Amino acid sequence: GESVGLHLPTLSVQEGDNSIINCAYSNSASDYFIWYKQESGKGPQFIIDIRSNMDKRQGQRVTVLLNKTVKHLSLQIAATQPGDSAVYFCAENSGGSNYKLTFGKGTLLTVNP
Amino acid sequence: NAGVTQTPKFRILKIGQSMTLQCTQDMNHNYMYWYRQDPGMGLKLIYYSVGAGITDKGEVPNGYNVSRSTTEDFPLRLELAAPSQTSVYFCASSVVKGISGELFFGEGSRLTVL
Repeated sequence: GESVGLHLPTLSVQEGDNSIINCAYSNSASDYFIWYKQESGKGPQFIIDIRSNMDKRQGQRVTVLLNKTVKHLSLQIAATQPGDSAVYFCAENSGGSNYKLTFGKGTLLTVNP
Repeated sequence: NAGVTQTPKFRILKIGQSMTLQCTQDMNHNYMYWYRQDPGMGLKLIYYSVGAGITDKGEVPNGYNVSRSTTEDFPLRLELAAPSQTSVYFCASSVVKGISGELFFGEGSRLTVL
């Protein structure tokens, strides 16, 4: 089965609210994680990454949290905007190297105006 | 910069036909990848390359072949197309610099096998 998965396949939020997208991983050897955003008809785009020696990393309006104890990753988007509507994927380097990533199924985020 | 460019964007094949999906990148990245994305699913790694002349299998290599004669180009060959190869194919590249393993993706090539 998938070593990277998502708790919620769809998420609908109101514009201006905060969004939290969750991801579970099963490979305890993974030490590098990335979140990607994929808009309809386009390729995935990098959002933020985190290594296993960190619990939290912040970017512009986004925060990634890593809980290695329960093998859980989350992406928080502050003040969600309509342009944030997309499918969000988490990925892990289950092969142990940064350049081979395993992707989860994705969560569809819909932002309602 | 163009980034990662894939051609064609759309293609319909008959069962048993062959074709090549082209991918080129202008970022001088050593690492290149081919993924396929089935509806409602994540990306599955088909093949990857860590440099010119070096290729290796990913999770789902059966029915595909690749070559990497230059740093810029990483074509994906489908021999004897089957309906199970209907998918969206993404080429990506990365530099793997420091701690970052960020992949830069192309826009995708949608393939239908009938």
